[in-house]
Amino acid sequence: EDQVTQSPEALRLQEGESSSLNCSYTVSGLRGLFWYRQDPGKGPEFLFTLYSAGEEKEKERLKATLTKKESFLHITAPKPEDSATYLCAVRENQGGKLIFGQGTELSVKP
Amino acid sequence: EAQVTQNPRYLITVTGKKLTVTCSQNMNHEYMSWYRQDPGLGLRQIYYSMNVEVTDKGDVPEGYKVSRKEKRNFPLILESPSPNQTSLYFCASSLYGDQPQHFGDGTRLSIL
Repeated sequence: EDQVTQSPEALRLQEGESSSLNCSYTVSGLRGLFWYRQDPGKGPEFLFTLYSAGEEKEKERLKATLTKKESFLHITAPKPEDSATYLCAVRENQGGKLIFGQGTELSVKP
Repeated sequence: EAQVTQNPRYLITVTGKKLTVTCSQNMNHEYMSWYRQDPGLGLRQIYYSMNVEVTDKGDVPEGYKVSRKEKRNFPLILESPSPNQTSLYFCASSLYGDQPQHFGDGTRLSIL
C-alpha cells in the first residue's frame, strides 16, 4: 500500500538551531514529491517539487533533498517566522492521486 | 490575482440536509482536487479531476460527489451529510497532475 510518513510529528527549535524534517515514502513509482508549508487557518503553500533521487532544491533557509526512499527538509538557522506545519506529498506513477503525510509541526522560539 | 476560491468558508448544518461547497480557479488549470483535513489524519484526497468531464476517486470518496462540467469549477456535493463529515475541506488546482497545487483557504464544515 502506498504510504507517506513524516517525522517527527512536532519539533521545537531555538532561533538559529538548524535541524531536518523527514518524509519517508513507499509508492509503486514516484512522479513527484512535494513540500508544502501550512500556517494555522490557511491552505497549504507550495515550497518545492523533487522528481528524482539526488535532486536538491533551496529557498532561503530551506533545502529539500530526495533519495529513493525518503526526502529531507533541512532548515538552516531558523527564525520564528519559519514556525508552521510542513507537509510532504507524493504523486504516484499511476493516475492522479496525491498522498500526503501527516505533517511536522515546527515551532521556532526566539 | 491567481487564486482558488471556495465558498462558503464556514458552514454549520444538520444531518441529511444536502449541501454543496463550490470551488473555482482562475488559472486555467486542468487538474483540480478536493481534500479533507482532520487532526491526526492529515490531508486526505476525496476526489480529483484530471480535466473536464473526468473525475476519479481519491482515498476517502464515500459520502461525496463531484462534477467537472467546466474547467474552472469543481463543486463538492454532500447528498446526505453525516457528523463524521465534519472537517476542514480544501480545494486545490494545478496546471497538470504532476505540478504543484494551489490551495484555497478552506471550508470549515460542521454537521450536527
